[in-house]
Amino acid sequence: GESVGLHLPTLSVQEGDNSIINCAYSNSASDYFIWYKQESGKGPQFIIDIRSNMDKRQGQRVTVLLNKTVKHLSLQIAATQPGDSAVYFCAENIRGGSEKLVFGKGTKLTVNP
Amino acid sequence: AAGVIQSPRHLIKEKRETATLKCYPIPRHDTVYWYQQGPGQDPQFLISFYEKMQSDKGSIPDRFSAQQFSDYHSELNMSSLELGDSALYFCASSLREFRGPSGELFFGEGSRLTVL
Repeated sequence: GESVGLHLPTLSVQEGDNSIINCAYSNSASDYFIWYKQESGKGPQFIIDIRSNMDKRQGQRVTVLLNKTVKHLSLQIAATQPGDSAVYFCAENIRGGSEKLVFGKGTKLTVNP
Repeated sequence: AAGVIQSPRHLIKEKRETATLKCYPIPRHDTVYWYQQGPGQDPQFLISFYEKMQSDKGSIPDRFSAQQFSDYHSELNMSSLELGDSALYFCASSLREFRGPSGELFFGEGSRLTVL
């Protein structure tokens, strides 16, 4: 069925380090994936997305990797900053199907100064 | 830039009462989504509307109803409130024709409902 999950509920890194947040999905029909950042008391904020015809996409300081073989998604944040501290969610969608996004369990990233 | 506006931001109700949450999408956006997020949980899809018609339905209780009006704003009505309804309720909007390579949903800041 549709489900997206995360391997680690928390991640703590030092400022300046690179962070890697992982996500596993189970619906092989999902073909569009998004990473959202959610700060305390705020709504999810779009970070980066990727379609299933790609295996890598880069943004500013962020990279998303998609491995369809093992249904795995990761978000890499370069030179992590204190402002990156938040909960990160991956979400999936089946294009051409339901419009809804299915969110996975969040990973709380804490950046230590 | 204009964002998704939700009101009220905070709401306290008692069991069995009713509550109404409002969502004003980004201007020109034609699709509205409602999500419920319990404490420490991921957002759960409730319902969506496209051009004022219900377009998808998720885990929305029968006690809840929603609609999208002619000005594209949406309201989520919750009746016979239960303690378990305490959560953050997010509204998101998008412009369907632009849900192409980057099908971004823009989320509001949420409405926090507390049921006592």
